[in-house]
Amino acid sequence: GQSLEQPSEVTAVEGAIVQINCTYQTSGFYGLSWYQQHDGGAPTFLSYNALDGLEETGRFSSFLSRSDSYGYLLLQELQMKDSASYFCAVRMRDSGGGADGLTFGKGTHLIIQP
Amino acid sequence: EPEVTQTPSHQVTQMGQEVILHCVPISNHLYFYWYRQILGQKVEFLVSFYNNEISEKSEIFDDQFSVERPDGSNFTLKIRSTKLEDSAMYFCASRQTLAGGQETQYFGPGTRLLVL
Repeated sequence: GQSLEQPSEVTAVEGAIVQINCTYQTSGFYGLSWYQQHDGGAPTFLSYNALDGLEETGRFSSFLSRSDSYGYLLLQELQMKDSASYFCAVRMRDSGGGADGLTFGKGTHLIIQP
Repeated sequence: EPEVTQTPSHQVTQMGQEVILHCVPISNHLYFYWYRQILGQKVEFLVSFYNNEISEKSEIFDDQFSVERPDGSNFTLKIRSTKLEDSAMYFCASRQTLAGGQETQYFGPGTRLLVL
């Protein structure tokens, strides 16, 4: 069956670096996305990897290894406002043009301590 | 900055009643989606919509659900006969297409549906 596995909770200290891992087992794969969600809020896009390697966007980076069905989100210089849930999401189909929905993991609750 | 908007923010309904959730996607976007999130759980894909027709739907999106783009700006999700288990936050999302692809889906603030 389809599954995306990520830790349920991670705790880190303000100013530190944290890595949130995601492994996936899906019937198809066309890219791994990361979304941030604050309590009661909408998911907000952070990063996307279609090919192996590292993508960097400011304090956030994301890595993908397609051969290992594995990716991670790296958050640097952690700030209190980074306390949120982080979801990895896979697009399993490519029907052309991107009309396909995302399959989300269960999310990692990131707790930042001062 | 353009954003996806959804109304109402909260909806309370009786089991068996019909509800319509409204979304206004970002104006130059071509792909539209509905997702739901049961409290404390992950976001689940319901349906995607492109060129005035459904592109993909999940197992959750059964005959009780329908989507419509009644005009050039609105995108609606209808649940014909609500069940208790339909209680969730419903997110609308939209996506632009650019040459080379653009993966970002922009989510609206959600409608919290409570079925009693």
